[in-house]
Amino acid sequence: DVKVTQSSRYLVKRTGEKVFLECVQDMDHENMFWYRQDPGLGLRLIYFSYDVKMKEKGDIPEGYSVSREKKERFSLILESASTNQTSMYLCASSLYTQGNEKLFFGSGTQLSVL
Amino acid sequence: AQSVTQLGSHVSVSEGALVLLRCNYSSSVPPYLFWYVQYPNQGLQLLLKYTSAATLVKGINGFEAEFKKSETSFHLTKPSAHMSDAAEYFCAVSGNTGKLIFGQGTTLQVKP
Repeated sequence: DVKVTQSSRYLVKRTGEKVFLECVQDMDHENMFWYRQDPGLGLRLIYFSYDVKMKEKGDIPEGYSVSREKKERFSLILESASTNQTSMYLCASSLYTQGNEKLFFGSGTQLSVL
Repeated sequence: AQSVTQLGSHVSVSEGALVLLRCNYSSSVPPYLFWYVQYPNQGLQLLLKYTSAATLVKGINGFEAEFKKSETSFHLTKPSAHMSDAAEYFCAVSGNTGKLIFGQGTTLQVKP
């Protein structure tokens, strides 16, 4: 069965720390996405990647960067964590770059920045 | 540009009653439309999607949605709510790039 795995379910970090959120998919999907989920705001796209070493900004990329060195792994990096980055982070993947493709989601990482 | 608006952040129904979750979209290109569901402590999973083949789309767990171009709507319905339907529901739209834009989400509460 299809699987998207996020390395941590809960994470607590201090302001100013560098934070890595890891996501791995086992489906040989081309596309991978990082969203953040906040109450009342739904899911907002941070970054996405159509291929290895390729990345594109989503709607809220400020304060974040990403890395995709291997097809199955997509990392989200908070260079200097701030309290307003406390949120649920969801990783997703899809097979092809077509508008009608289904997204497969991980279970999420709840990040708290103190 | 594309956007989605879900009307009502919380909807409460009795078990056995009709479920209606509202979604309106804006898109400059013919849209692909989706409904996803998120159960507590889980990621999102696809309920159904519209890809222009038919305006009435049937999904999993008895849900369906109707695409109405004239109203730019894609409302989600289920004839009879079950306790297990309690979850958060997200409407989403995409164009040709595979980039999905989500609405704000609607929490469905089902009362016994």
